[in-house]
Amino acid sequence: GQNIDQPTEMTATEGAIVQINCTYQTSGFYGLSWYQQHDGGAPTFLSYNALEGLEETGRFSSFLSRSKGYSYLLLKELQMKDSASYLCAVLDSNYQLIWGAGTKLIIKP
Amino acid sequence: NAGVTQTPKFQVLKTGQSMTLQCAQDMNHEYMSWYRQDPGMGLRLIHYSVGAGITDQGEVPNGYNVSRSTTEDFPLRLLSAAPSQTSVYFCASSYRPESTDTQYFGPGTRLTVL
Repeated sequence: GQNIDQPTEMTATEGAIVQINCTYQTSGFYGLSWYQQHDGGAPTFLSYNALEGLEETGRFSSFLSRSKGYSYLLLKELQMKDSASYLCAVLDSNYQLIWGAGTKLIIKP
Repeated sequence: NAGVTQTPKFQVLKTGQSMTLQCAQDMNHEYMSWYRQDPGMGLRLIHYSVGAGITDQGEVPNGYNVSRSTTEDFPLRLLSAAPSQTSVYFCASSYRPESTDTQYFGPGTRLTVL
């Protein structure tokens, strides 16, 4: 079966660092994507990991452990505009994305 | 480039009515898809297409039809609307079927079925 787990909600302070975790159990796996979705908006692509390790893009980094079925998205120097939902999605063996329910991140001043 | 466009943005239907949600992209992407998003759940794939003239079912295809007569357009038809189809619908595209890790989404259609 397909199972992707993320925390439902997290709270962090402006200027701080937050790590959003995603664990997965899927029948096939090519890689894992992260998307950002603001309330009332559409998902927008953040990152994709196919290999083990850390990939950094500006304030955002994404890590993948294929052996452990685990990924995280690290957001540094949090800004109020980072308040959004963060969606984890596994690219399965049919090249389809299987989506987690998303983590709502609330940033407080 | 307009990217991925969807119309309408909002729609209210009565049970049993039919309608078509429009989706278009101007990026010459081969792959297009339709998702629905419900509270507390991940995006679920309804139908997808890997090129003009080719469509296939996703995870939740019942009650929906699609066609892909051109590369640009990928309409979603609700055959006989039911309250269970109340949802937010997103159309998305990617350059090739093998690059679906990176999808570009339209703004969504918020559908309510009474």
